[in-house]
Amino acid sequence: DIQLTQSPSFLSASVGDKVTITCRASQGIGSYLAWYQQKPGKAPKLLIYAASTLQSGVPSRFSGSGSGTEFTLTVSSLQPEDFATYYCQQLNSYPQGFGQGTRLEIK
Amino acid sequence: QVQLVESGGGVVQSGRSLRLSCAASGFTFSTYDMHWVRQAPGKGLEWVAVIRYDEINKNYADSVKGRFTISRDNSKKTLYLQMNSLRAEDTAVYYCARDPVGGGLDIWGQGTMVTVSS
Repeated sequence: DIQLTQSPSFLSASVGDKVTITCRASQGIGSYLAWYQQKPGKAPKLLIYAASTLQSGVPSRFSGSGSGTEFTLTVSSLQPEDFATYYCQQLNSYPQGFGQGTRLEIK
Repeated sequence: QVQLVESGGGVVQSGRSLRLSCAASGFTFSTYDMHWVRQAPGKGLEWVAVIRYDEINKNYADSVKGRFTISRDNSKKTLYLQMNSLRAEDTAVYYCARDPVGGGLDIWGQGTMVTVSS
């Protein structure tokens, strides 16, 4: 099975900051990676798929990059509503597991 | 509008069974793969199972293989998860989600809580 490791697990930042979250796969997955945002008590929300394609309706301050085994999610200028937990998911093969999550909190 | 609504969660004793349902509306259910994903209290997301649009091809996480069965009825636009031999570690919120194949899980239900008591 393919393992995903996110870093950092916890991130403290301020409104307006630029932040980057990394997701590393245990083997190559091409561009078969998605990113999700989850707020407490809510279902996850798809942000990016195919490593870098922005889901419809997601603000352009979110961007994704990478291929193979290393991927990044970047938020260019944090807004108050962006403080949440972020997960990556590999879509290359089953089981389509998730990373352990990155909790983004307000500094 | 496009919507998924789960039902069937509750409190069940260890070793017993439960069946979850996920009712779809607002899209052509029969053309999408569908997944179950769960989240234990205070923990991250865990992928559980997928069923292809054809109602035939299925895959499971090792943690539920042999105990859980995913199925769907395209005529009723409904996804199911039959959970047998439940364990305490199956306690979680269970989400159903739509998969436009290669595009991530783009629509999620609100989740249904399953609590397995010993």
